[in-house]
Amino acid sequence: NAGVTQTPKFRVLKTGQSMTLLCAQDMNHEYMYWYRQDPGMGLRLIHYSVGEGTTAKGEVPDGYNVSRLKKQNFLLGLESAAPSQTSVYFCASSFLGGLEETQYFGPGTRLLVL
Amino acid sequence: AQSVTQPDIHITVSEGASLELRCNYSYGATPYLFWYVQSPGQGLQLLLKYFSGDTLVQGIKGFEAEFKRSQSSFNLRKPSVHWSDAAEYFCAVGGSGGSYIPTFGRGTSLIVHP
Repeated sequence: NAGVTQTPKFRVLKTGQSMTLLCAQDMNHEYMYWYRQDPGMGLRLIHYSVGEGTTAKGEVPDGYNVSRLKKQNFLLGLESAAPSQTSVYFCASSFLGGLEETQYFGPGTRLLVL
Repeated sequence: AQSVTQPDIHITVSEGASLELRCNYSYGATPYLFWYVQSPGQGLQLLLKYFSGDTLVQGIKGFEAEFKRSQSSFNLRKPSVHWSDAAEYFCAVGGSGGSYIPTFGRGTSLIVHP
């Protein structure tokens, strides 16, 4: 039982390049989330999904796209990377979306955009 | 909309000393409250959560938190800090208004001196 895994762990991009971050969970969770973490800003929600085939915008969605084609996977795409997207990205999942639900986090992906 | 404030960006304690990390929330009804810990280079892990019942909640790693409705607070405590407790601590409140997306505070960084 691996929990939540993220690929890659670290990536360097040049401005304008594109990439996809992969999140996978093996807990049969319905909800999945993408956050970015920046110094002094805490966690900010980018996009989330309440089930296979569904996605919704979070607090800071601009410049990102997501897809949830399979229940266990949640992909975060950057079509044209910008230096402002340098951050640590965390994926999380929860069984459902109830108020008392615990979120399970992946180890993070460090992205540097030059 | 709900919000969470962690007033302290950094807290420094000596190993063996007691610890209290502050969390204040804004929420219209009975809140669902969480404390997560993020060890260096890792994702977030749930320490404890509160959503009803006894206002003193026990968590993992010897942590506890007390819910005080009159003060809109959910402070995290530990009687004796270990060097391995050095980490980032996040308070979160469960979602409201039909959205089950939690809101995170900006985090408190705990530094432990030997």
